[in-house]
Amino acid sequence: GAGVSQSPSNKVTEKGKDVELRCDPISGHTALYWYRQSLGQGLEFLIYFQGNSAPDKSGLPSDRFSAERTGGSVSTLTIQRTQQEDSAVYLCASSPLLGTTTGELFFGEGSRLTVL
Amino acid sequence: DQQVKQNSPSLSVQEGRISILNCDYTNSMFDYFLWYKKYPAEGPTFLISISSIKDKNEDGRFTVFLNKSAKHLSLHIVPSQPGDSAVYFCAASAGTASKLTFGTGTRLQVTL
Repeated sequence: GAGVSQSPSNKVTEKGKDVELRCDPISGHTALYWYRQSLGQGLEFLIYFQGNSAPDKSGLPSDRFSAERTGGSVSTLTIQRTQQEDSAVYLCASSPLLGTTTGELFFGEGSRLTVL
Repeated sequence: DQQVKQNSPSLSVQEGRISILNCDYTNSMFDYFLWYKKYPAEGPTFLISISSIKDKNEDGRFTVFLNKSAKHLSLHIVPSQPGDSAVYFCAASAGTASKLTFGTGTRLQVTL
């Protein structure tokens, strides 16, 4: 498809388990962002990538969260030892450059994570 | 520390009337502002943006106004249509080559 693709769309897991969320950005987009939206909250920045490097990891809530990007394309967000407060919709976005003339990000549909 | 604030969690407007969604920010380094629209179970989609060198940007039924001295921006939708019912997020960045900081969103419902 032409848009940002995220998988899984829904994930239910037990507290303490690890989860991996995947993002396939729009082809050719060099910048990739992870945000999350908890219930009743706005979009919280987690991390962004320029190519394969992550200049800003300031939004990762704890060391249980990590992300990587390979080949300047697919990115994986990993949450270790999940906690109930990790339950949220995790949104991935990409843009052609690190900031475009419009600043526009193209978002995927998100991965809804529920930690029981 | 919420640097971008949308103080109205919801707004209901009749079809054909004007919808005004408000956003305030605290970071004086922000110089680029965007509005995104989000339907349930979908990712946010870009709606309109404005640079701090302007105080107004218009695109069809959508107009964004920026008041830098008040650190306030607003989105006007006129006339409002039922398809406009969605959650609207205000976002800001310090330069276009920067991450976006989002507000908490305003749920707009346009009634018949």
